[in-house]
Amino acid sequence: GDSVTQMQGQVTLSEDDFLFINCTYSTTWYPTLFWYVQYPGEGPQLLLKVTTANNKGISRGFEATYDKGTTSFHLQKASVQESDSAVYYCVLDQGGRALIFGTGTTVSVSP
Amino acid sequence: EAAVTQSPRNKVAVTGGKVTLSCNQTNNHNNMYWYRQDTGHGLRLIHYSYGAGSTEKGDIPDGYKASRPSQENFSLILELATPSQTSVYFCASGDEQYFGPGTRLTVL
Repeated sequence: GDSVTQMQGQVTLSEDDFLFINCTYSTTWYPTLFWYVQYPGEGPQLLLKVTTANNKGISRGFEATYDKGTTSFHLQKASVQESDSAVYYCVLDQGGRALIFGTGTTVSVSP
Repeated sequence: EAAVTQSPRNKVAVTGGKVTLSCNQTNNHNNMYWYRQDTGHGLRLIHYSYGAGSTEKGDIPDGYKASRPSQENFSLILELATPSQTSVYFCASGDEQYFGPGTRLTVL
């Protein structure tokens, strides 16, 4: 079945560091992919959406790139702030059903 | 922006008891979803619905029932709660899934 894999469970950074989170997916077609962010005490919220038509998404300083050749979908930010501390989920759209969430990457940014 | 609310926000239940978690959305979305969130598993889909009167099984439906009496409301029902169902439960609505704030359930 369809799946997404986030190998990095925890990332610890200082402010102004570069953030890179790796995600790979497995499916028999070309899905729409998302990054969701979850702040403490809240539900997940949509950060970025990338389709096969555009291959890249940008929002709030974050950039996600979709590589169909390597079935990867990375999230990056050039300079993180303490307020970026959160859990980031790579998510695959099954097309009409529900979303498949990765296990999440906890990003901790110290001032 | 879509508004999704959940009640209760926190619940302590006893093993074997019945628990009902409620979700309400005000954005007239057809699709609604129930997930549970556990450390090491991310979010896992329990049940979902395409509209009033519809419920579908997700990836981990065992031990849970769902009810969608109206466009706005979607409930998750644990008929016989067990300690393994201790978790944080999230409701979401819409194709791009606006999430509620979650319900923390503890089954003793």
